[in-house]
Amino acid sequence: GQNIDQPTEMTATEGAIVQINCTYQTSGFNGLFWYQQHAGEAPTFLSYNVLDGLEEKGRFSSFLSRSKGYSYLLLKELQMKDSASYLCAVLDSNYQLIWGAGTKLIIKP
Amino acid sequence: GAVVSQHPSRVICKSGTSVKIECRSLDFQATTMFWYRQFPKQSLMLMATSNEGSKATYEQGVEKDKFLINHASLTLSTLTVTSAHPEDSSFYICSARAAGDYNEQFFGPGTRLTVL
Repeated sequence: GQNIDQPTEMTATEGAIVQINCTYQTSGFNGLFWYQQHAGEAPTFLSYNVLDGLEEKGRFSSFLSRSKGYSYLLLKELQMKDSASYLCAVLDSNYQLIWGAGTKLIIKP
Repeated sequence: GAVVSQHPSRVICKSGTSVKIECRSLDFQATTMFWYRQFPKQSLMLMATSNEGSKATYEQGVEKDKFLINHASLTLSTLTVTSAHPEDSSFYICSARAAGDYNEQFFGPGTRLTVL
């Protein structure tokens, strides 16, 4: 079966750095997405990785290792508004998104 | 660009009634639209995939006669929850994929359905 694992919840301090990990086992791979979702709102796109390596975009970076079935989202200089759920999703061989359960990130002052 | 709208954003209805949710791609043509459901503190669950001009493909466990999907044009898909019951109360989100782009999906803002 297809499976995506990410931690259920993480806590970090304002101004610090946090890394959210995601491991996946899917039928085929056409890229991995990270989305941010605030409570009661739809997901918003953060990043897309299809090749191995690190993609940096401002305070957020995303890393992918296809051989290990592993990705992480790195958030730097955390702000209170970064408190949200972060969803890892893999595009499988049928170009269908397979979703992780999401990681709830709590930022403390 | 790539904006997707949903209407209504919130709806409250009585048990046994039907509710229609619209999903529109505002500035691009969406050959494929996806309908998701999300219960509190859970991740998105794909309900069905609809391609313009053809019947929707439903995920296992989703009743096609209860959740009617119509994708009649390249910019509009509708989801009708028929004979809604309290257990259908959820956050319904649509997303759209542009023609020729198999990667990114653009999400609508979601519709909060509460069935009394």
